[in-house]
Amino acid sequence: KAGVTQTPRYLIKTRGQQVTLSCSPISGHRSVSWYQQTPGQGLQFLFEYFSETQRNKGNFPGRFSGRQFSNSRSEMNVSTLELGDSALYLCASTLGAGEVPRAYEQYFGPGTRLTVT
Amino acid sequence: GNSVTQMEGPVTLSEEAFLTINCTYTATGYPSLFWYVQYPGEGLQLLLKATKADDKGSNKGFEATYRKETTSFHLEKGSVQVSDSAVYFCALTLYNQGGKLIFGQGTELSVKP
Repeated sequence: KAGVTQTPRYLIKTRGQQVTLSCSPISGHRSVSWYQQTPGQGLQFLFEYFSETQRNKGNFPGRFSGRQFSNSRSEMNVSTLELGDSALYLCASTLGAGEVPRAYEQYFGPGTRLTVT
Repeated sequence: GNSVTQMEGPVTLSEEAFLTINCTYTATGYPSLFWYVQYPGEGLQLLLKATKADDKGSNKGFEATYRKETTSFHLEKGSVQVSDSAVYFCALTLYNQGGKLIFGQGTELSVKP
């Protein structure tokens, strides 16, 4: 079974630009969650999408947004990039529903390393 | 609020030493608890999990027991190997927020031959 894939793996952007990251979940998984990982703040939850609807949201500004498609693939977008947005962005997929905790065992992709200059 | 606290690293051990990484949590409700491991340049891998008090999660020689009375989920391994060198994250999720993991700050483990 193929794992979670994220594209691109590396990205360099300039302040003020916007960026879109993509995540393809494990086949059969309907939930995709996004996390930001930085040395200073650690791993922080951005949002979760389930069946094309945002189900949970973290404490990030509105510049961070996401969406999910009918095939469960998800994208996240960051507009008006700031230097502080430089981070490893991880997505994770889960079944999203059913018996706990199996339904919420999150399987992570390798991440997208975003550098903002 | 809900949070996870881990012992600070880095932790440096010799091969075959005993490992303990402490993890305590604060949660409103009854969380499920997880340990994830991150090897250099990679994403996170689920190491083990537990869903209720006194549950013991185990995998690859690692163990952790869900202690409700002490709100703890300490990770242990009897004999570490060089290949165990990685960053270990303790995490929780609540039933009504299953897609949201709350992580500890991570503990870097370095095992020397």
